Amino acid sequence: EVVLTQSPATLSLSPGERATLSCRASQSISSYLAWYQQKPGQAPRLLIYDASNRATGIPARFSGSGSGTDFTLTISRLEPEDFAVYYCQQRSKSLTFGGGTKVESK
Amino acid sequence: QVQLVESGGGLVKPGGSLRLSCAASGFTFSDYFMSWIRQAPGKGLELVSYISGSSSYTVYADSVKGRFSLSRDNAKKSLFLQMNSLRADDTAVYYCARGLQANHFPNYFDPWGHGTLVTVSS
Repeated sequence: EVVLTQSPATLSLSPGERATLSCRASQSISSYLAWYQQKPGQAPRLLIYDASNRATGIPARFSGSGSGTDFTLTISRLEPEDFAVYYCQQRSKSLTFGGGTKVESK
Repeated sequence: QVQLVESGGGLVKPGGSLRLSCAASGFTFSDYFMSWIRQAPGKGLELVSYISGSSSYTVYADSVKGRFSLSRDNAKKSLFLQMNSLRADDTAVYYCARGLQANHFPNYFDPWGHGTLVTVSS
């Protein structure tokens, strides 16, 4: 099973700041990685797939990068609605999720 | 627009059974793999099961294999999860989710339903 490790567990930032979230895979997964956003009481929403492709309707301030074992989700300038939990998910071998990173308001 | 609506959750005793349903609309249901993903209270996401568009291929997480059964009715655009021998660690919000691409092996999940809460407790 491919294990995805997300860091940090919590990121405390202010609106307007840049957020950088990391997801590391236990083995190479090529570019087969997605990012989801989950707000309290809501279902997850797909943001990025295949490491760097934005899903339909996702603002350009969200971007993804990486390949192999190291991936990054960047939010260029945090908006108030971006404070949430973010999960990565791989599809290279079976389908697994990371443990999540909470982006909270400082 | 594409919509998924889950139902059937509730409180059940350990060892009991429950059947979850997911009603789909806004897309050609039979063209997509469909999945159930769960989230225990305060925890992360776990893929429970997924099924191909024609029902010919079904996969289960080891944690539910032999206890849960996934099926679909393409004419009614509905997905079902029969859960038997329920345990306390099955307590979670259960989300129905569609595969990102039609006629494609499941890769990513989009969209997701709002979820239905299953609580297993005596």
